[in-house]
Formats: sequence, structure tokens, C-alpha cells
Amino acid sequence: GQSLEQPSEVTAVEGAIVQINCTYQTSGFYGLSWYQQHDGGAPTFLSYNGLDGLEETGRFSSFLSRSDSYGYLLLQELQMKDSASYFCAVRDRTGGGNKLTFGTGTQLKVEL
Amino acid sequence: DSGVTQTPKHLITATGQRVTLRCSPRSGDLSVYWYQQSLDQGLQFLIQYYNGEERAKGNILERFSAQQFPDLHSELNLSSLELGDSALYFCASSEGDSGNTIYFGEGSWLTVV
Repeated sequence: GQSLEQPSEVTAVEGAIVQINCTYQTSGFYGLSWYQQHDGGAPTFLSYNGLDGLEETGRFSSFLSRSDSYGYLLLQELQMKDSASYFCAVRDRTGGGNKLTFGTGTQLKVEL
Repeated sequence: DSGVTQTPKHLITATGQRVTLRCSPRSGDLSVYWYQQSLDQGLQFLIQYYNGEERAKGNILERFSAQQFPDLHSELNLSSLELGDSALYFCASSEGDSGNTIYFGEGSWLTVV
């Protein structure tokens, strides 16, 4: 099966940089995605890494190392509105389908 | 607004009952995914359909079933409901079946009493 590990909670101050790590174990790995979810809201797509390296989208960047089964999400210039849960998810074609399996999420608290 | 529509938004029902959750994907999307989110389990993948056919299956209980209709909307049927089925059920959709980027609806809150 698949398993993903990420920290349960991270706290940072406004304007700072924070890194949320994700390690995974899966077979048939295809890529690592990141989603943001505010309390009571729908998860929204942030970033996807299919290949090793860094992907940058505005204040958010995501990194993948397939050899280490590891990735991270980097949030820069933190704003209060970034307080949310962040999920890493692996795309896995085991069994022929496209299961997107999510980690348990990291709750980010941005403080003044 | 992701363009994915789910109904109902909230539902309260009794144990042993059956409910149907409905999802309309974004215009042009052929894949529909169902997820269950509860406090202690995170986002659990239930099932994926692509253009009417089941494409991938997760830890979906036998009491649960889903289908995707020719107009691409999907329904998730939950039967013999138990207290532990209380959760937020999300539908998501994507254009293809790759699952690289999926777009979630606002979810259906199910409370079983």
C-alpha cells in the first residue's frame, strides 16, 4: 500500500519562510502533489512534481527527490491567510487506476 | 469556485438509513473522484470513474457504491449507515484520468445520528 508522512503542525510568523516535508512509500509512483485546505473548505491544488527538482509558483515552491521518496512544500513571505492545512498526495497507478492518496495533512499556523 | 458542484451540502440521517450524494464535475472533465474526510482519518480515497467506467478503487466499504452517468455526473450511495460514516464527503474532477490536478467540490457534510 501507500503511506505518506508529514508533520502534523507547523507554526511560523508572518513574513517568514516555512518548509513542510513529506516522505512517502508507494509502488507505481507517478508524482507528488500539494493541496491547501482552509477549515471547512475544499482542498485546492497548489503544485505538482512529476520529475525531480523544484517547481515554483509565486510564493509557493515544491521539490521532489524520487530517489529519496521525499518532497517538500516551501511557502515564502508568509501571510495570515496561509494559515490552513497542507496535504501532500501521491499519484499511484497501482492496480491500473490513478489513485491520488493524501497524507494526513500539516496544519500551518501563521502568527503575527 | 472550482466548478464542481455537490449536493446536498448538509445531511442528517439516522443509523441504518441510505443516502445518495450527487456530484456534477467541471465542464469538460471526464474523471470523477470521491473522497471521505473525517477528523481521525484525513482524506480517504474511495473511488474514481472516468467517462462512465470505474477506474480506481480505494478503501470503499461494501455498503457504499458509486456510479457515473452518461452526462458525467456521479452519485455516491451510502447504505446501512453507521455513526462512523459521519464525515465530509468530497467529489473532485479532472479533465483526464491522470490525476495530476484534481478540483474539489465544497463537499457534503453527512451526520449520522
